[in-house]
Amino acid sequence: LAKTTQPISMDSYEGQEVNITCSHNNIATNDYITWYQQFPSQGPRFIIQGYKTKVTNEVASLFIPADRKSSTLSLPRVSLSDTAVYYCLVGPNQGGKLIFGQGTELSVKP
Amino acid sequence: DVKVTQSSRYLVKRTGEKVFLECVQDMDHENMFWYRQDPGLGLRLIYFSYDVKMKEKGDIPEGYSVSREKKERFSLILESASTNQTSMYLCASSSSGQGKETQYFGPGTRLLVL
Repeated sequence: LAKTTQPISMDSYEGQEVNITCSHNNIATNDYITWYQQFPSQGPRFIIQGYKTKVTNEVASLFIPADRKSSTLSLPRVSLSDTAVYYCLVGPNQGGKLIFGQGTELSVKP
Repeated sequence: DVKVTQSSRYLVKRTGEKVFLECVQDMDHENMFWYRQDPGLGLRLIYFSYDVKMKEKGDIPEGYSVSREKKERFSLILESASTNQTSMYLCASSSSGQGKETQYFGPGTRLLVL
């Protein structure tokens, strides 16, 4: 499974757009890129998943360049409730073994 | 919505006790997982199961066992609890798909072993 690297922490203010970038230089052809969000004392929650280009849902957007060696999670107009740890995962996602890295601790300030 | 429930949110046990952590999912998922999460170490996979009565070791299976007698239920067993098993335990489930599998997590059980 491909290793991922993402910033340990980020700070933002309410209303700003937040972009969290994840590096995955060893991504394989059949790997998908998935982001999870985790609030304190809760289990991780799926946010978004993509293979290439851009994916958007009601929560976030995921930008993946052509070489797929990195990806960027974009959270539009964050609020205090977006304060959480965000994990980037890369894998074939078949049979389920996921490797969670350290994640990015996002702190949104008023 | 997929629902994954865990039998307890908080649990306090004594060293040497046998501990059962139960997980139930209601979406007929084939795959179920047990993780533990510790500060600075992230989530680590203990055991997982692809089907009833099947189990596979994850990255840190020592000191744990699992049981999957029914599709919806996956139990984690600490045969003889030790203080280094104090942790947050997370259960997850997923459906085997065509490369776009998503894991759904329960709320977690915070276990304290004294």
